[in-house]
Amino acid sequence: DTEVTQTPKHLVMGMTNKKSLKCEQHMGHRAMYWYKQKAKKPPELMFVYSYEKLSINESVPSRFSPECPNSSLLNLHLHALQPEDSALYLCASSAAEGRYNEQFFGPGTRLTVL
Amino acid sequence: SQQGEEDPQALSIQEGENATMNCSYKTSINNLQWYRQNSGRGLVHLILIRSNEREKHSGRLRVTLDTSKKSSSLLITASRAADTASYFCATEEDSSYKLIFGSGTRLLVRP
Repeated sequence: DTEVTQTPKHLVMGMTNKKSLKCEQHMGHRAMYWYKQKAKKPPELMFVYSYEKLSINESVPSRFSPECPNSSLLNLHLHALQPEDSALYLCASSAAEGRYNEQFFGPGTRLTVL
Repeated sequence: SQQGEEDPQALSIQEGENATMNCSYKTSINNLQWYRQNSGRGLVHLILIRSNEREKHSGRLRVTLDTSKKSSSLLITASRAADTASYFCATEEDSSYKLIFGSGTRLLVRP
């Protein structure tokens, strides 16, 4: 199985809502990533988990809260988001954090904040 | 943070023609990777070239890397309509192993 799955595909939420994005991989990868992508822009790294521990936080606002319950799952908890947080949220995984690792991406969750 | 620029920003060619995209970057890197993204979907890894390599081939793809100029190019030969997508270069930083994506090239292959 060489697939990264993400749920939901689409999410519309109000600024006072709490929601979660989910990501799953069964490739035995030990590094997982969250990216944010605005329209016609490149993906921007948000968080990196390596061996289930948070390795990199790219100064992301605290209204985004990542969680890695186990080596196959990655969640992104959302709370009190702003309309400018509307974007495509991409999850990715790689064999490990480190050199020469290609990343496998999920299809993304398209988030709209009203 | 964005590592560098890609050019052209957009490219429209006829099926069967070759497409060339260029990528420039700023810092010391371990490797450079190219990814394809179909409209609003996830990215697909195409090819990885290490910093000590100069050229690499994979099927209809040819990638070159010039570390002295901090630039790379992706050539797609004999393009097909199915190659229509956005193409991003991504550099793996020497210091942090983070992947930093370039601005992307939107390729349209007309049937």
